[in-house]
Amino acid sequence: DAGVIQSPRHEVTEMGQEVTLRCKPISGHDYLFWYRQTMMRGLELLIYFNNNVPIDDSGMPEDRFSAKMPNASFSTLKIQPSEPRDSAVYFCASSPSETSYYEQYFGPGTRLTVT
Amino acid sequence: GDSVTQMEGPVTLSEEACLTINCTYTATGYPSLFWYVQYPGEGLQLLLKATKADDKGSNKGFEATYRKETTSFHLEKGSVQVSDSAVYFCALRLGTYKYIFGTGTRLKVLA
Repeated sequence: DAGVIQSPRHEVTEMGQEVTLRCKPISGHDYLFWYRQTMMRGLELLIYFNNNVPIDDSGMPEDRFSAKMPNASFSTLKIQPSEPRDSAVYFCASSPSETSYYEQYFGPGTRLTVT
Repeated sequence: GDSVTQMEGPVTLSEEACLTINCTYTATGYPSLFWYVQYPGEGLQLLLKATKADDKGSNKGFEATYRKETTSFHLEKGSVQVSDSAVYFCALRLGTYKYIFGTGTRLKVLA
């Protein structure tokens, strides 16, 4: 299995631009998570999906952030407009529902820099 | 609210030294507890877990025991290697799929 795939691995953009981060979960996993990692705040859960449906988006910082999962093999996290404080590493993770302890499998992350 | 507190790093050790990374938690209810490891340039990977009080999780020479009375889940290893250099995250999970992660502790092992 290829694991969770994220693209791009690095993104540099200017303030005000739209940014789209992409994720392909592990095939057969029912849950998908988006996290943000910064030095100041550590690892924060932004949103998670079950069977393509958003379940908890309470961690999404503001309306500039949106996430979609149009099918079981693809999800996007969009920031519009981007701001320098959005600079962080964004992780996608997926999880199979049949695992009793709900291990999460993380992708390699996208390092976003907003100048 | 629910939270995880880890010792601040970085922790620098010589090869074959003993390792302890402290982790304490605050939670309503009975969480499952985890240690994840992040190697440079990679995502987090599950290292070990414990789902109830007094459980001991172990993997790759690392161990952690779920201590309900002290609300702790300290990570230990008797002899670290250079390849153990990474960032270690303590985490809890309450009921659903929602994890709460600690801020991470960076470990650097010198040859």
